[in-house]
Amino acid sequence: QKEVEQNSGPLSVPEGAIASLNCTYSDRGSQSFFWYRQYSGKSPELIMSIYSNGDKEDGRFTAQLNKASQYVSLLIRDSQPSDSATYLCAVSRLGYNTDKLIFGTGTRLQVFP
Amino acid sequence: DGGITQSPKYLFRKEGQNVTLSCEQNLNHDAMYWYRQDPGQGLRLIYYSQIVNDFQKGDIAEGYSVSREKKESFPLTVTSAQKNPTAFYLCASSPLANTEAFFGQGTRLTVV
Repeated sequence: QKEVEQNSGPLSVPEGAIASLNCTYSDRGSQSFFWYRQYSGKSPELIMSIYSNGDKEDGRFTAQLNKASQYVSLLIRDSQPSDSATYLCAVSRLGYNTDKLIFGTGTRLQVFP
Repeated sequence: DGGITQSPKYLFRKEGQNVTLSCEQNLNHDAMYWYRQDPGQGLRLIYYSQIVNDFQKGDIAEGYSVSREKKESFPLTVTSAQKNPTAFYLCASSPLANTEAFFGQGTRLTVV
């Protein structure tokens, strides 16, 4: 079982729609959860972090965390063509020799006009 | 400007040659990471360091080596033992382990 799993996509949504990206993780001790956006040929950029159960909103982005289900998601409202990218989920836990930031393989999002 | 600087942006390696990728940060971050990304793939952890003079192997450390002699610097050496080194290498840092990590612009390594 992979430590962090994402559907590779592509997820295609029309402009103005809500895009929903999902991620599951295997380590119940995980404490920190991140979403990164990566444009083709570029390095990842952090768009959201979430540490406790529930929702966290930042502009058009909402991260949702459910530790009991080991599930974290990212919603993008009013999707724009410029949102077309690969979205990477990352998970971390704190502890000497155990802490490391692990990434999923990413979900490619395509927003069409 | 504060940030993470990787150099060079592009690097070509001959068979059997060791090469070193540079990663420098001026953000005063404690934790630093090296990842490898292959085309169409996610990020795989090579090495990480939480404090100076200490580092741990990630999932794919074979054929790589690192050092952390200074807080600001975390160079990665790709040795001749790494049989398939062509990839996009990404360095990241975070204030503390388990917090938000930020990436440099990456180094594309190609074996010629």
